[in-house]
Amino acid sequence: AQRVTQPEKLLSVFKGAPVELKCNYSYSGSPELFWYVQYSRQRLQLLLRHISRESIKGFTADLNKGETSFHLKKPFAQEEDSAMYYCALSGSGGSYIPTFGRGTSLIVHP
Amino acid sequence: KAGVTQTPRYLIKTRGQQVTLSCSPISGHRSVSWYQQTPGQGLQFLFEYFSETQRNKGNFPGRFSGRQFSNSRSEMNVSTLELGDSALYLCASSLEDTTYNEQFFGPGTRLTVL
Repeated sequence: AQRVTQPEKLLSVFKGAPVELKCNYSYSGSPELFWYVQYSRQRLQLLLRHISRESIKGFTADLNKGETSFHLKKPFAQEEDSAMYYCALSGSGGSYIPTFGRGTSLIVHP
Repeated sequence: KAGVTQTPRYLIKTRGQQVTLSCSPISGHRSVSWYQQTPGQGLQFLFEYFSETQRNKGNFPGRFSGRQFSNSRSEMNVSTLELGDSALYLCASSLEDTTYNEQFFGPGTRLTVL
């Protein structure tokens, strides 16, 4: 069964500190991974997807198939990064179920 | 483009009743997915519709059903409501399918079952 694990419910850092939000997955096929973000009183929205290999708002995420991880990183956190972050997995080809992690709440203190 | 809209935004029902929730996707999007979000279970996939056909289904009982119309608008129905069905129900639309494509989420419908 496919699974997405975000081990930290809450991550608290100070402005300017590096941030790493962990995501581990379990999937037998070829995974497609995403990070979604939900800012206060806003909708869930895509932050980035691994297939695009892009950096959004200073965040990057690298798919490590050996460690089955897709950690989200930012070298210098900003207060506006405070939000709920969800790691999500979709399969490729055939039937699949989009699976979301439980989310990590990131709080960036001034 | 207008975003994904969901109606109603809030709903209160009693056990045993049934409820229908509606979702209008972004214009041009053909895929609509539904999710249930609860504090205990997080975001769980209910089903996905594409061109009026259910393409994928999550692990929910048959009381949860849905459909998609020719204009891509979608409805989900929950029959014989239980207390545990209280949740935020999110709808998301996507251009084609959810494998590679971004999902655009609606604001959700907050269902409370008393």
